[in-house]
Formats: sequence, structure tokens, C-alpha cells
Amino acid sequence: KNEVEQSPQNLTAQEGEFITINCSYSVGISALHWLQQHPGGGIVSLFMLSSGKKKHGRLIATINIQEKHSSLHITASHPRDSAVYICAVPSMDSNYQLIWGAGTKLIIKP
Amino acid sequence: DTGVSQDPRHKITKRGQNVTFRCDPISEHNRLYWYRQTLGQGPEFLTYFQNEAQLEKSRLLSDRFSAERPKGSFSTLEIQRTEQGDSAMYLCASSLAVEGYTFGSGTRLTVV
Repeated sequence: KNEVEQSPQNLTAQEGEFITINCSYSVGISALHWLQQHPGGGIVSLFMLSSGKKKHGRLIATINIQEKHSSLHITASHPRDSAVYICAVPSMDSNYQLIWGAGTKLIIKP
Repeated sequence: DTGVSQDPRHKITKRGQNVTFRCDPISEHNRLYWYRQTLGQGPEFLTYFQNEAQLEKSRLLSDRFSAERPKGSFSTLEIQRTEQGDSAMYLCASSLAVEGYTFGSGTRLTVV
């Protein structure tokens, strides 16, 4: 069974700060997902990555396959970035299921 | 095509009633997933379709739950004899392969 751990669980920062959210997993994977969920809202897929780094706007995701670790960075954070950020990896028991981290609740204060 | 659509957005029902939710995936996506999310928890996998075939079903899905995807396009999730413990956000997602999930906005069910 693949275990996914995220840190921190909660993060509060001031607008403009550089944000880092970490994700570690226990078993080798083919790809890792980063997703965003606003309060009461649906889930938005941010990144799917299997190696290296991806960038989309102010969001950057990196993954180190050897260390089984991924990070999500937000540059020039803004209050609208406030959300829960979740990493997820494929289940070892299934080709179709994702195993989800507990999420990181991010609050950006103006 | 504007993404994955779910209907209704909110549903309040009395305990014991049946409810049905609909999901319209992105048209070219052959894979469709249903997840359930309760407050403060991550999503739990319920079931998976590849085209019209239901290939996987979680043990979480009791006999009161049934899902269909009759023509390999839209899907329905029905809950019979609803219980208060069924109150949750029901999320649908679709993908073309194992990567690239696109989620709908979810249907929030409240059983009173």
C-alpha cells in the first residue's frame, strides 16, 4: 500500500510570500498529482508529473523520484490562492485509484 | 466542452429516500471515476468506468449504491434508502488515460 504524507497540515502566510508544500510517498510511482480544492468546492487538477519540474503561472511542482518526494511552490502568493492543496499517487492495488494525502490548508492573508 | 459537469450541485433529501446524481465527463475521455468526500477528509474512491464497463468498485460501495454509464458517455450514481452517513460531497472525474484527471464541481448531498 502506498502511503502519502503531506506537510505542513496548515499554513498561514502573508500575501506575496513564497509558499512550499511537501509530499512524500512510500512506494515508487509512475506519476504524482497535485490538486487544489477551495472551501465547499470541487477539485481542480493542477499538475501531473513523473519527473523533474513543471510550471504553470505562479505554481511550480517538482518531483524527486529517487527520494520519493514532491514539492508544490507558489510564488508571489495571493489571497485567492487560499485553498486546500492535495497530492495524490496511484494505488498499488489498482490501476485506477488514487491514494490521497491529507491535504495542506493554505491561508494567504492580505 | 467546458469540463466535467455534475448535476445537481446540491441535494437535500429525507432519510430513506432514493437519490440519483449525474456526471457528464469531457467528451473524449473514456475513463470516469466517482469519489466521495466527507468534511475534512480526502476523497474516497467509489467506482471506475472505462467506456461503459464498470471495471472497479470499492468495498465502500454498499448494495444501496449503484452506478451506470450506459453508453460510455454520462454516468449516474444512485443511492437507495439514503442514510445520514451518506451525507457527503460526491465527486466525478474523467480522464483519457491514467493521467490527467479532470474533476467536476461535485454534488453535495445532505440527508436529513
